[in-house]
Amino acid sequence: KQEVTQIPAALSVPEGENLVLNCSFTDSAIYNLQWFRQDPGKGLTSLLLIQSSQREQTSGRLNASLDKSSGRSTLYIAASQPGDSATYLCAVGQGGSEKLVFGKGTKLTVNP
Amino acid sequence: NAGVTQTPKFQVLKTGQSMTLQCAQDMNHNSMYWYRQDPGMGLRLIYYSASEGTTDKGEVPNGYNVSRLNKREFSLRLESAAPSQTSVYFCASSTGFGNTIYFGEGSWLTVV
Repeated sequence: KQEVTQIPAALSVPEGENLVLNCSFTDSAIYNLQWFRQDPGKGLTSLLLIQSSQREQTSGRLNASLDKSSGRSTLYIAASQPGDSATYLCAVGQGGSEKLVFGKGTKLTVNP
Repeated sequence: NAGVTQTPKFQVLKTGQSMTLQCAQDMNHNSMYWYRQDPGMGLRLIYYSASEGTTDKGEVPNGYNVSRLNKREFSLRLESAAPSQTSVYFCASSTGFGNTIYFGEGSWLTVV
């Protein structure tokens, strides 16, 4: 059974810092991996989608990498801003299944 | 752009009552999903519909029924609500398997 872990559960950084959020998964036979952002009381917003054949994806100040063999993905946020404060979730998709397996998220606070 | 719209946003039910959560998307997506989000459990798939006219069980389908009314609409019904169904429910959609998934704003359900 696929399990997705995100450590740490919470992270607090000063504004301007570059930071890395981690996501690990137990079964490397994945189809893709998505990173989402969730603001309090809101739904999830997709940030980046990495297919299993890809190593990384970039969008603005965000860069997500994928290492299937080690069961790890990282989300790099450059020059963090208070507006980046949110919970970040990763989710793994597996071949032949519509079901995404979600991690429990990392709550990020960027302090002014 | 409306995206994925869920109603109601908040609902309080008594044990044993029934209710239907409505979801509609305006992105012409084939696939639609219902997830629930619970503290400490992350997001879990309840049911999904890969195309109009089809529905399939997810990870936690017991106590729920769904209807894919047409390509736009996917409803979730609780026939006899139980306190264990207190949760935040998210509807989502995508163009299909392996593609970016878009979430609604969520429906907060409390069963007393």
